[in-house]
Amino acid sequence: GNSVTQMEGPVTLSEEAFLTINCTYTATGYPSLFWYVQYPGEGLQLLLKATKADDKGSNKGFEATYRKETTSFHLEKGSVQVSDSAVYFCALSVTDGYSGAGSYQLTFGKGTKLSVIP
Amino acid sequence: DGGITQSPKYLFRKEGQNVTLSCEQNLNHDAMYWYRQDPGQGLRLIYYSQIVNDFQKGDIAEGYSVSREKKESFPLTVTSAQKNPTAFYLCASSFKAGLIYEQYFGPGTRLTVT
Repeated sequence: GNSVTQMEGPVTLSEEAFLTINCTYTATGYPSLFWYVQYPGEGLQLLLKATKADDKGSNKGFEATYRKETTSFHLEKGSVQVSDSAVYFCALSVTDGYSGAGSYQLTFGKGTKLSVIP
Repeated sequence: DGGITQSPKYLFRKEGQNVTLSCEQNLNHDAMYWYRQDPGQGLRLIYYSQIVNDFQKGDIAEGYSVSREKKESFPLTVTSAQKNPTAFYLCASSFKAGLIYEQYFGPGTRLTVT
């Protein structure tokens, strides 16, 4: 089956520190990978995505590279701000290898809470 | 502005009552979804619908029901059969981008049942 494992939080960093949130996956078929962010009391926002091996998704200073050899999609940011405090979810969807049909469903990790202190 | 609206933001009910959560989208997306979020559990899929008048059970459909009479609307009813209904409920919709479906989320409804 499909599964996503994220590093457990909470993660607490000082402003301007380097951020890494680890994400690894298992998948049947060809996975596409996503990072979502959830600010307190809100819904999820799509942060970035990658649809094939070695693709790098980037947005708002965040980056993640789809590594097929290590089945990973780690989220990084060079210098975090207080406004980055949120919960981050890694997710995958799978395209069937035979039919090429994409799945409607996403498989989510459990989320990693990030707190950035001034 | 295009987007997904969920109402109300906070909902309180007594145990034994059914309650319906609203989800509307004006993004012209074909597929819509309902998720439940509990602390430390991530998101769990309740139901999803690929087209009007059709829907499929997700991982935790027991005690919930849905309808999809219009493309824009996908209401979720939490029935009295749901044993632990207090949670944060998220609605999403998706469109096809190449081979994959990108999901976009509404702001959520926090349901408290006492």
